[in-house]
Amino acid sequence: EDKVVQSPLSLVVHEGDTVTLNCSYEVTNFRSLLWYKQEKKAPTFLFMLTSSGIEKKSGRLSSILDKKELFSILNITATQTGDSAIYLCAVVTNSGYALNFGKGTSLLVTP
Amino acid sequence: EAGVAQSPRYKIIEKRQSVAFWCNPISGHATLYWYQQILGQGPKLLIQFQNNGVVDDSQLPKDRFSAERLKGVDSTLKIQPAKLEDSAVYLCASSLNRDRGEKLFFGSGTQLSVL
Repeated sequence: EDKVVQSPLSLVVHEGDTVTLNCSYEVTNFRSLLWYKQEKKAPTFLFMLTSSGIEKKSGRLSSILDKKELFSILNITATQTGDSAIYLCAVVTNSGYALNFGKGTSLLVTP
Repeated sequence: EAGVAQSPRYKIIEKRQSVAFWCNPISGHATLYWYQQILGQGPKLLIQFQNNGVVDDSQLPKDRFSAERLKGVDSTLKIQPAKLEDSAVYLCASSLNRDRGEKLFFGSGTQLSVL
C-alpha cells in the first residue's frame, strides 16, 4: 500500500523563524511529488518535484526532493503570519495519476 | 481564468438522508477528481474522471456514493443514504490532462455535516 507520511503534524513558530516541513513516501512506480498550501478549504499548488537534488524556489519558499532516500522537504524562511496554513504533500505514481496525500502539517505563525 | 466552482458551500443533513454536490471544472480541463477530506486528514481520492469516463473509483463506497460526469464537463457526487462518518469536506479538482502533468486546481469544497 502506498504511504505518504508528513512530519511534524503541527508546528507553532514566531514570525521571522525558518521552518522545515518533511514528507517521506513509500510508493510503487513514483512519478512526482507535489506540495500544496491549504488555507480554509481549497488547496493551492506550491511546487511539483520530479528530479532528485533540484531545488524549486518561490520567494521565501523552497523545496527539494531526494529520490534515493524517498523524502522531500519544504522550507519557509522569514515566516509571516500569512504563512499559517496546512501544508500538504502528495505523491503521484504512474498508475492512475491521482494525488496520494499525506495528513498535512498544520503551521501556525504567531506575531 | 475562472476557477473550479463547487456548490453548495455547506450542507447539514441527518443520517440516512441523501445529498448531492455539484462541480464545474476549469474550462477545457479533461480530468476531474472528487476528494473527501475528513478533519485532521489529507484529502482522499474518491473518483477520477477522464472526460466522461471513470478512470479510478476504487476508493468510492459504491453502496452509498455515486458520481457522474455527463458530457465530460460538470460533475455531481451523490451520497444516499448518508452516515455520520461521511461528515467531511468534499473537494473537486480538475487538471488539463492527466498524462501531461499533475498540477490540480481545487475548488473551495463543500463542507458536509451529517447529524
